Amino acid sequence: GENVEQHPSTLSVQEGDSAVIKCTYSDSASNYFPWYKQELGKGPQLIIDIRSNVGEKKDQRIAVTLNKTAKHFSLHITETQPEDSAVYFCAASPNNDMRFGAGTRLTVKP
Amino acid sequence: DAGITQSPRHKVTETGTPVTLRCHQTENHRYMYWYRQDPGHGLRLIHYSYGVKDTDKGEVSDGYSVSRSKTEDFLLTLESATSSQTSVYFCAIGGATDTQYFGPGTRLTVL
Repeated sequence: GENVEQHPSTLSVQEGDSAVIKCTYSDSASNYFPWYKQELGKGPQLIIDIRSNVGEKKDQRIAVTLNKTAKHFSLHITETQPEDSAVYFCAASPNNDMRFGAGTRLTVKP
Repeated sequence: DAGITQSPRHKVTETGTPVTLRCHQTENHRYMYWYRQDPGHGLRLIHYSYGVKDTDKGEVSDGYSVSRSKTEDFLLTLESATSSQTSVYFCAIGGATDTQYFGPGTRLTVL
């Protein structure tokens, strides 16, 4: 089955700096790559996603890039704010069995 | 939040007892999922449903069963709870290759 690895497990940045989280996947059949943000005590919430026919997608301060050849994708957050502090998960899905990375705890220091 | 509720939100039980968790949606989504979340493992799929009475296993299905008798309800049952099933359980709706919306979670502790 699909295997997703996510790095780093923790990330601390100063407010206003950029944050980058990277994921790799193993199954070349994966064609959908969402990113979720999870705040304490809540369920994960989709923040951005990308499909395999697209190399990059942007939504305000958040962007995702996908390199199908290398089987990796990344989340970029620019101009970070304290409210960006949360746990972020990447995922890859070739079919009905979506696989998630282990998560990155992002801390934005004011 | 998408119209997803989970009950109970917290439960403490003893080893060997049966436990049923309920997920209820008001969005009329065909697909529903049960995940467990453990430190260092992210979210792992237990079972999913692609319609009433249609279910299939996920990555970590051993020790769990599910049922879906109505579109809006998806039940997860631990027939005989073990300490390794202590976890936070999330229900989700939506397609596997499309946005999934998660419920608020159920924290289960098995003593």
